[in-house]
Amino acid sequence: AQSVTQLGSHVSVSEGALVLLRCNYSSSVPPYLFWYVQYPNQGLQLLLKYTTGATLVKGINGFEAEFKKSETSFHLTKPSAHMSDAAEYFCAVIPMDSSYKLIFGSGTRLLVRP
Amino acid sequence: KAGVTQTPRYLIKTRGQQVTLSCSPISGHRSVSWYQQTPGQGLQFLFEYFSETQRNKGNFPGRFSGRQFSNSRSEMNVSTLELGDSALYLCASSGGDSYNEQFFGPGTRLTVL
Repeated sequence: AQSVTQLGSHVSVSEGALVLLRCNYSSSVPPYLFWYVQYPNQGLQLLLKYTTGATLVKGINGFEAEFKKSETSFHLTKPSAHMSDAAEYFCAVIPMDSSYKLIFGSGTRLLVRP
Repeated sequence: KAGVTQTPRYLIKTRGQQVTLSCSPISGHRSVSWYQQTPGQGLQFLFEYFSETQRNKGNFPGRFSGRQFSNSRSEMNVSTLELGDSALYLCASSGGDSYNEQFFGPGTRLTVL
């Protein structure tokens, strides 16, 4: 069964530092890939997605992710962290099996130090 | 354009009771999915409806059920509540294709005592 692995349940960075959140998926057929962010007491908001085309995807709030098929990875980056980026981030996939369901990783909580 | 709305936002029930949660999708969206979020199990898929038909179901017991109405609004029902059902229940709507973005509502926080 398809699975998503997010390395690091907590990541702490200083304000202005690079943000790197890791995501790997398990599938021989690349699925559709998504990154969502969740702020406290709120639902999920899409940051970016990869379906086809260019492997470097730009999203909202300065985030981007690169799909690497050979590494089965879809890591999320942001060049300079802002205090407002503190939240929980979820990597998710939709398998190419017409299941229409998002399979989520366990999430990474990003802490931004002043 | 109004987002996905869920009612109620908070709910407290006791074991053995049943509960119904409601979700109104974004106008024009025909697909509604439900997810359960808990600290221990994370985000798990419950079921997905498209044009009043359940297209897929997750690995949850039969106590969890849902339906979708002709206006795409959806409800999920949990019968015979257990303590472990305490969770944030999230609803998401989309156009219905796998590559479509799923837009999430704020969720319903269910507490079972």
